[in-house]
Amino acid sequence: AQSVTQLDSQVPVFEEAPVELRCNYSSSVSVYLFWYVQYPNQGLQLLLKYLSGSTLVESINGFEAEFNKSQTSFHLRKPSVHISDTAEYFCAVNPQAAGNKLTFGGGTRVLVKP
Amino acid sequence: DTGVSQDPRHKITKRGQNVTFRCDPISEHNRLYWYRQTLGQGPEFLTYFQNEAQLEKSRLLSDRFSAERPKGSFSTLEIQRTEQGDSAMYLCASSRRAGSNTEAFFGQGTRLTVV
Repeated sequence: AQSVTQLDSQVPVFEEAPVELRCNYSSSVSVYLFWYVQYPNQGLQLLLKYLSGSTLVESINGFEAEFNKSQTSFHLRKPSVHISDTAEYFCAVNPQAAGNKLTFGGGTRVLVKP
Repeated sequence: DTGVSQDPRHKITKRGQNVTFRCDPISEHNRLYWYRQTLGQGPEFLTYFQNEAQLEKSRLLSDRFSAERPKGSFSTLEIQRTEQGDSAMYLCASSRRAGSNTEAFFGQGTRLTVV
C-alpha cells in the first residue's frame, strides 16, 4: 500500500515570493510521482510528473519538483508566485507495476496575496 | 477534446434516497476511474474500468455503490439508500491507455450533499 503526506494544509504567500509545498510518500514498491493542481471551480489538472531520469522535473508555468528517493520526498517549488497560482495542490503516487490508481495526499491550499 | 464531463455538478438528496451520477470520458480514452473526495482530503480511489470491464473496486465501495460502463463509453455511479457519510465530491477521470505513467484527465466532479 502507498500513502502520501502533504505537511502543510495551507500556505499563504505574497505575490512574487517563493513557495515550497512539501510532499512525502511511503511505498513498498517503486512508484511514479505526480503533482496535480485544482484551480477554483475547476477539475484536477496534471502539473508535472516524475517517471524516470533526471530527478528534477519542471512544468510549463515555472513550477519544479525534485524527486529524492532516500528521503521519499517530491517537494514542489516555484521561485516567484503569481496571483493566478492561487489553487489547491495535490501530490500523488502510482505504483509502477499497477494500473493508473493514484494515491493522493490531503492537498495544500496556496493563497497568493498581492 | 472536450474533456471529461460529469453530470450533475451538484446533487442534494435526502437520506435513504438513491442517486445516480454520469461521467462522459474523453472519447478515445478506454480507461475510466471514479474517485471520492471529502472535505479537506485528497481524492480516494473507488473503482476503474478498462472499456466496459470493471477491473478493480476499492474497499471504500460498499454494497450500496455500483458503477457501470455498459458500452465502454460513459459510466454511471449509483448510490443506493444514501447516508450522510456519502456526502462528498465524486470525481471521474479517464486515460488513453493502461499504464501507471499515463496522465489521467479529471472532470469537475459531482458534489453530493445528503441531508
